[in-house]
Amino acid sequence: GAVVSQHPSWVICKSGTSVKIECRSLDFQATTMFWYRQFPKQSLMLMATSNEGSKATYEQGVEKDKFLINHASLTLSTLTVTSAHPEDSSFYICSARDYTGGPRYEQYFGPGTRLTVT
Amino acid sequence: SQQGEEDPQALSIQEGENATMNCSYKTSINNLQWYRQNSGRGLVHLILIRSNEREKHSGRLRVTLDTSKKSSSLLITASRAADTASYFCATATGGGADGLTFGKGTHLIIQP
Repeated sequence: GAVVSQHPSWVICKSGTSVKIECRSLDFQATTMFWYRQFPKQSLMLMATSNEGSKATYEQGVEKDKFLINHASLTLSTLTVTSAHPEDSSFYICSARDYTGGPRYEQYFGPGTRLTVT
Repeated sequence: SQQGEEDPQALSIQEGENATMNCSYKTSINNLQWYRQNSGRGLVHLILIRSNEREKHSGRLRVTLDTSKKSSSLLITASRAADTASYFCATATGGGADGLTFGKGTHLIIQP
């Protein structure tokens, strides 16, 4: 089946630094990837839609200058949390849609990246 | 914005019993999906039901969809300890290019 990986699995950083999270589709091409955030004991919230070769579309309330998204190839999207603060500590999950085969509407989720900002 | 609401928020049952979780949503949808998440882990896709379908089965899972009531239910039959997890419904409104809107989730605990 379609596999999506994320790197790193977890990261601890100091307040004010930037952190980059990678999302890769390993065995399929993904023209569209999505980034979600999940706070402890809460549900997933869509942050942005990442389209290969174009600017990301951000959901209302998500700061595009703080959460930089780059989708430079059909298999890689990156999320950079700039000037991270403790309130950015969360579980970040990406997903990718496989348009080359399989159910059109199914999204494949990565294992998530746990970010802790101290 | 969060549009899905699951109930109950938490459910604890004995192994072997059936577990039913409900989900309500607010807007018109293209499809509704159910996911499972083990503690601190990624999501596992369970089942997708399209807006023109009323019921779908997959193994021990049975999903119903009532678009007139904007609600769905997930039934897990003959529950196992390994079914302990959080279950989320997620809706897609667009034609395939939209991200998913997740419900708040039901935390299911199966007592051995």
